[in-house]
Amino acid sequence: AQRVTQPEKLLSVFKGAPVELKCNYSYSGSPELFWYVQYSRQRLQLLLRHISRESIKGFTADLNKGETSFHLKKPFAQEEDSAMYYCALRTSGTYKYIFGTGTRLKVLA
Amino acid sequence: EAQVTQNPRYLITVTGKKLTVTCSQNMNHEYMSWYRQDPGLGLRQIYYSMNVEVTDKGDVPEGYKVSRKEKRNFPLILESPSPNQTSLYFCASSLPGTLGNEQFFGPGTRLTVL
Repeated sequence: AQRVTQPEKLLSVFKGAPVELKCNYSYSGSPELFWYVQYSRQRLQLLLRHISRESIKGFTADLNKGETSFHLKKPFAQEEDSAMYYCALRTSGTYKYIFGTGTRLKVLA
Repeated sequence: EAQVTQNPRYLITVTGKKLTVTCSQNMNHEYMSWYRQDPGLGLRQIYYSMNVEVTDKGDVPEGYKVSRKEKRNFPLILESPSPNQTSLYFCASSLPGTLGNEQFFGPGTRLTVL
């Protein structure tokens, strides 16, 4: 079965500390993976996607097919990074999306 | 302004009373989708549409209907709402194509079924 797992419901870190939000997936085909973010009182928006291999707001994520993971990382957390983060998978050949349950990141001053 | 709009934003209704939540986008996107967001369950896809007159089930389609008669609109219909459909609903749209198209989300509709 297709599944996206985000094991942490809440992650609290201090400002300036490294951040890693975990995402594991279960999918037999070739996955497309995304990170979406929802800041307080804002719409859900795309943060980054694995095919772009880009860094947005200092965040990076590498697709590890061997470990079926797509963890989101940032070397130095900032208070404005506090938000809800969702990992999502799109099944190949279709436009069906599977989202994880989300991780709330709190960056403490 | 390019955006996805949903109406109503808040709705309280009673069991069995048919309702429609509208979704409209002005970006000429082919793909549109509905999600529900529940505590501890994240976002779950209800239905999606790859283009006009082309719709397909997501993971949780039971109790919902959709239609795509025009490219810009993708209404979500609850023929006989039940309390377990109380949720926060999001509509989203994107370009189709090959890989990794960004979904643009609406502001959400909070539905309460009594």
